[in-house]
Amino acid sequence: NAGVTQTPKFQVLKTGQSMTLQCAQDMNHNSMYWYRQDPGMGLRLIYYSASEGTTDKGEVPNGYNVSRLNKREFSLRLESAAPSQTSVYFCASPRAAGAGGYNEQFFGPGTRLTVL
Amino acid sequence: DAKTTQPTSMDCAEGRAANLPCNHSTISGNEYVYWYRQIHSQGPQYIIHGLKNNETNEMASLIITEDRKSSTLILPHATLRDTAVYYCIVRAAGGTSYGKLTFGQGTILTVHP
Repeated sequence: NAGVTQTPKFQVLKTGQSMTLQCAQDMNHNSMYWYRQDPGMGLRLIYYSASEGTTDKGEVPNGYNVSRLNKREFSLRLESAAPSQTSVYFCASPRAAGAGGYNEQFFGPGTRLTVL
Repeated sequence: DAKTTQPTSMDCAEGRAANLPCNHSTISGNEYVYWYRQIHSQGPQYIIHGLKNNETNEMASLIITEDRKSSTLILPHATLRDTAVYYCIVRAAGGTSYGKLTFGQGTILTVHP
């Protein structure tokens, strides 16, 4: 049981290049999330998927697209990378709310992206 | 989701208890208090959560005041590996957005030898 995995771990892009960040979870969770974290700041939600086949915008969706390929996989795409997208990207997946209504969110190890 | 206020940084001696405060004076009746931490360069890690009763697990204890306007996370015997940024998050349970967490600046806890 690997939890949440992300690839790649590191990436350097030039302005205007495109790339896709991959995320997979093996916990059979319905929801998956993409966050970004800039230096010295908390995490900000980019996009999320409440269930397979659905996606919604978070706080900072501009410049990104997502695909919920199946229940396990949720990818984040940068079509034309900009220096402002230099950040650490985290994928996360919450356990479904139980009788108490709470949820515990599991995070991947992150992808460190630099756009030159 | 209710706003939270945490001290920017705190220090603690190894082996002693670390008490991390959080103010959430606008918390609503259906909002839980969650604590996560982020060790340098890693993804955030869930620690504990609570609604109104005190909670304890293998990692920490959570003390919530009777009026629920503040809480304290207690690491009973801090180790050097507990050095991390600790986030206090308040949010409601349920609904399609139940998974979304709003992370603030958190408290940088430094555990000293």
